[in-house]
Amino acid sequence: AQSVSQHNHHVILSEAASLELGCNYSYGGTVNLFWYVQYPGQHLQLLLKYFSGDPLVKGIKGFEAEFIKSKFSFNLRKPSVQWSDTAEYFCAVNAKNTGRRALTFGSGTRLQVQP
Amino acid sequence: DGGITQSPKYLFRKEGQNVTLSCEQNLNHDAMYWYRQDPGQGLRLIYYSQIVNDFQKGDIAEGYSVSREKKESFPLTVTSAQKNPTAFYLCASSIVSDGDQPQHFGDGTRLSIL
Repeated sequence: AQSVSQHNHHVILSEAASLELGCNYSYGGTVNLFWYVQYPGQHLQLLLKYFSGDPLVKGIKGFEAEFIKSKFSFNLRKPSVQWSDTAEYFCAVNAKNTGRRALTFGSGTRLQVQP
Repeated sequence: DGGITQSPKYLFRKEGQNVTLSCEQNLNHDAMYWYRQDPGQGLRLIYYSQIVNDFQKGDIAEGYSVSREKKESFPLTVTSAQKNPTAFYLCASSIVSDGDQPQHFGDGTRLSIL
């Protein structure tokens, strides 16, 4: 079965610092990749997604992610974080052609941005 | 406003008791999902339904049951067989269940044991 690893469980940054959150998955076939964000007191929402084409994907609020197939990775980046980026971030994978028609989520990374 | 409504927001269960969590959507989505969220473990799939009157077990289905009698409703029952039910439960939906469509999430139900 596929799995998703997010090695950074808790990240603390100062405002204006650069962000990179790691995401690795275990499936060797075709995948669709997602990053979701959960702001304090709000429901999970989609940040960005990758299906095919340009491996560098841009999402909302200045976030981007790069799909590196050879590394089975889909890391999330932002050049300069803001206090409002404080949230929990989840990477998710849809492994195609497995019969499973649902996403597999990582364990999440809690980002705390200090003003 | 279209969206997903989960109720109640907080739920308490006594030992040996079954409880049912409600999930309703007015997005006209075919697919619905139930996840359990525990600290440090992310979201784990309990059950999902691709269409009315159909559902599949997810990764942690033991001790849970679901039904999908109406397109807009996907209730989750936490049975007494679930030995560690204390968690945050999230319901989601997507247009179809092909894994390509973004999922829309509800606000969750927090279940605790008395």
